[in-house]
Amino acid sequence: AQSVTQPDIHITVSEGASLELRCNYSYGATPYLFWYVQSPGQGLQLLLKYFSGDTLVQGIKGFEAEFKRSQSSFNLRKPSVHWSDAAEYFCAVGPFGNEKLTFGTGTRLTIIP
Amino acid sequence: NAGVMQNPRHLVRRRGQEARLRCSPMKGHSHVYWYRQLPEEGLKFMVYLQKENIIDESGMPKERFSAEFPKEGPSILRIQQVVRGDSAAYFCASGIRDRENIQYFGAGTRLSVL
Repeated sequence: AQSVTQPDIHITVSEGASLELRCNYSYGATPYLFWYVQSPGQGLQLLLKYFSGDTLVQGIKGFEAEFKRSQSSFNLRKPSVHWSDAAEYFCAVGPFGNEKLTFGTGTRLTIIP
Repeated sequence: NAGVMQNPRHLVRRRGQEARLRCSPMKGHSHVYWYRQLPEEGLKFMVYLQKENIIDESGMPKERFSAEFPKEGPSILRIQQVVRGDSAAYFCASGIRDRENIQYFGAGTRLSVL
């Protein structure tokens, strides 16, 4: 069965500092991987996705993620965070084609001045 | 192009009442997914529908919950005889028939059961 682990429940980062959010997955085949962001009281917005090819993918809002098959990881990074990045971040894995996504439990990001 | 529309945004029900949650997918999208988010948890898949068909309902509770996506109109998630444990945020996502499985989410319906 597929699963996603986000080991950090809550991370606090100073504005302007770099950020890395961890995501580990368990999946029997080639996974499709996603990062979503959820602002308070809002729905989920897709930040980026990985299907195949270049293992470093670029997303919106200056985020990037790197797929490492050997480590079963898909960590999200941003070189310099902004106060508006404070939100909940979810990593998700899904199969090829139209199927359900499996989400991690999320990492809440707090930005301090 | 409007995004995925869910209504109501907030719904309050007393124990034993029925809750109906509506989801209008993005224009041109033929697939609808429902997920539930309990407090302090991630999203859990409930059901996947195409027009007039339930494709995967492996995440739906066996009793009291049902979903439909009729030929015309929005998708409906129906919860009969609600209990306090049903209090959660219910998210709908939509997508098209392709390889990439990109799902676009609505803002959710927050159900509170008193």
